[in-house]
Amino acid sequence: QSALTQPASVSGSPGQSITISCTGTSSDVGSYNLVSWYQQHPGKAPKLMIYEVSKRPSGVSNRFSGSKSGNTASLTISGLQAEDEADYYCCSYAGSSTFGFGGGTKLTVL
Amino acid sequence: EVQLVESGGGLVQPGGSLRLSCAASGFTFSSYWMHWVRQAPGKGLVWVSRINSDGSSTSYADSVKGRFTISRDNAKNTLYLQMNSLRAEDTAVYYCAREGMAMGTSYYMDVWGKGTTVTVSS
Repeated sequence: QSALTQPASVSGSPGQSITISCTGTSSDVGSYNLVSWYQQHPGKAPKLMIYEVSKRPSGVSNRFSGSKSGNTASLTISGLQAEDEADYYCCSYAGSSTFGFGGGTKLTVL
Repeated sequence: EVQLVESGGGLVQPGGSLRLSCAASGFTFSSYWMHWVRQAPGKGLVWVSRINSDGSSTSYADSVKGRFTISRDNAKNTLYLQMNSLRAEDTAVYYCAREGMAMGTSYYMDVWGKGTTVTVSS
């Protein structure tokens, strides 16, 4: 069970778009359309933002979108807002009822 | 209101044991698969364990296999994590989380508790 690879940090200005990548292997991200993304503000519990690669739960802004190509999934946030500043984690099903999270990406809104 | 509330964390010596609880409310607990996820201080999220809705099937991260046991009491709407042979590297905030679909598997976690802190130190 290896951790998925995310950039440690990304940044953008208000109104811009950013993309966070999440690279796994053919045993996890590449094998299943079961990637989810979580937002975590400091000292808070994670919040589900995207599931099954590109689906948004009710109540999550449509500024958040997800995609996948091969072994890499991506989270795109458009129209950046100050409240988007947080840590973001990807998670993928890895078979045999196991899961792996990415190391997390700190998003800074400049 | 759908809610998960963890408890049972604390300070324990290396080699010791601790049992975490997660009380569920606001939804039909017995219909959902459940998870434990942990986060070491200043580090990222790490998946720990999963249990199916009736408790008959469990899975674990390699790092805790053989030391941790996940279980549930659907009559009490409570999820548990029994942690034995604790190590310093088990120090973390432990979150319980609900898997996203009732009466089935969905492979994402849609409801999270606020976490309980476990510190393993002499």
